[in-house]
Amino acid sequence: DTEVTQTPKHLVMGMTNKKSLKCEQHMGHRAMYWYKQKAKKPPELMFVYSYEKLSINESVPSRFSPECPNSSLLNLHLHALQPEDSALYLCASSTRAGGGADTQYFGPGTRLTVL
Amino acid sequence: GQQVMQIPQYQHVQEGEDFTTYCNSSTTLSNIQWYKQRPGGHPVFLIQLVKSGEVKKQKRLTFQFGEAKKNSSLHITATQTTDVGTYFCAYSGAGSYQLTFGKGTKLSVIP
Repeated sequence: DTEVTQTPKHLVMGMTNKKSLKCEQHMGHRAMYWYKQKAKKPPELMFVYSYEKLSINESVPSRFSPECPNSSLLNLHLHALQPEDSALYLCASSTRAGGGADTQYFGPGTRLTVL
Repeated sequence: GQQVMQIPQYQHVQEGEDFTTYCNSSTTLSNIQWYKQRPGGHPVFLIQLVKSGEVKKQKRLTFQFGEAKKNSSLHITATQTTDVGTYFCAYSGAGSYQLTFGKGTKLSVIP
């Protein structure tokens, strides 16, 4: 199984809503990532979990809250978002085989619209 | 910080023509990866290069890593409509697993 799955595929939410994005992989990968991708732009790293511990937070606003319940699951909790947070949110995983040059496997993404 | 410049930003080619995208850095890269993202899709890993002067081929795709490890290229021979998408180079620092992406080259193929 070389697949990263993400739910939901699409999400529309108001600025006062609380929602969560979910990501799952069963490849035994020990690093998992959240990226944000705006239209016609490259993916931008938000968070990195390594061995279920948050290792990188790229100065992301606190209205985005990541969670890694176990080695296969990664969540992104959303609260009080702004319209400019509308984007494609991509989850990825990699083997974390020892640092450097890991291949990242991306999920299909959740397309988020904030009204 | 370290950055890569990817050119061109857009490329329109007639089906059957060749296509090349370039990724250039002002500093030495420990590795370079290439990803393809189809319209409406997600990035898909194509290849990783780590050695100076490395050349790898995948069918009609040829990937090169410069001798100084400061630039890389992706060349597609005889493009097909299935090659349409955005091609990103990406790199991670030595000992790091954090990927930084170039801005991408969007390829359009005219049938």
